[in-house]
Amino acid sequence: AQKVTQAQTEISVVEKEDVTLDCVYETRDTTYYLFWYKQPPSGELVFLIRRNSFDEQNEISGRYSWNFQKSTSSFNFTITASQVVDSAVYFCALISPVTDSSYKLIFGSGTRLLVRP
Amino acid sequence: DAGVIQSPRHEVTEMGQEVTLRCKPISGHNSLFWYRQTMMRGLELLIYFNNNVPIDDSGMPEDRFSAKMPNASFSTLKIQPSEPRDSAVYFCASSSTGTGGHEQYFGPGTRLTVT
Repeated sequence: AQKVTQAQTEISVVEKEDVTLDCVYETRDTTYYLFWYKQPPSGELVFLIRRNSFDEQNEISGRYSWNFQKSTSSFNFTITASQVVDSAVYFCALISPVTDSSYKLIFGSGTRLLVRP
Repeated sequence: DAGVIQSPRHEVTEMGQEVTLRCKPISGHNSLFWYRQTMMRGLELLIYFNNNVPIDDSGMPEDRFSAKMPNASFSTLKIQPSEPRDSAVYFCASSSTGTGGHEQYFGPGTRLTVT
């Protein structure tokens, strides 16, 4: 069965600290995709990144970086020099095949990040 | 480019009334998803359409919920009759399976309150 676990329910940091959000997944598929989404207090869900199972290169985008490790089934997200605007709930997600041509996204329970000034 | 459009943004209704939520996916996307988010249950997938055809409706809570996608640019989620426990934020998302990436883009959500 496919599953995404975000063990950290809530994290609180002071501005400018680095913070890592953990994501552990389970799947029997050899081809799969992992995602991170951000949900700020305004409520919308914002797509941040997609990673496929064949690409284990780490990715950096500004202050955001992602560490994908198949050996530990983890896809962790690090925010460097956090800012108050980073305060949000962050969701990790995994694509699960429904049929040969259709998929559904399985979300973790989310990690609420609070960045204090 | 316009993102996923949902209406209304807020809906307050009385128990027993019919509620219809609307969604316009991103043009060119061939998959559409309806989710419900509550504090207790988090994000739940209700139903999923591919090329306007319902693929997986196992998440629809009960017969009071129904969804349609009459064409590629419009979908509705209907609750009849509504109950207080249906109060939640309902999100619509769309994606293009043709890109190989399958990332879903979400609308702003409809906050439903049933009193």
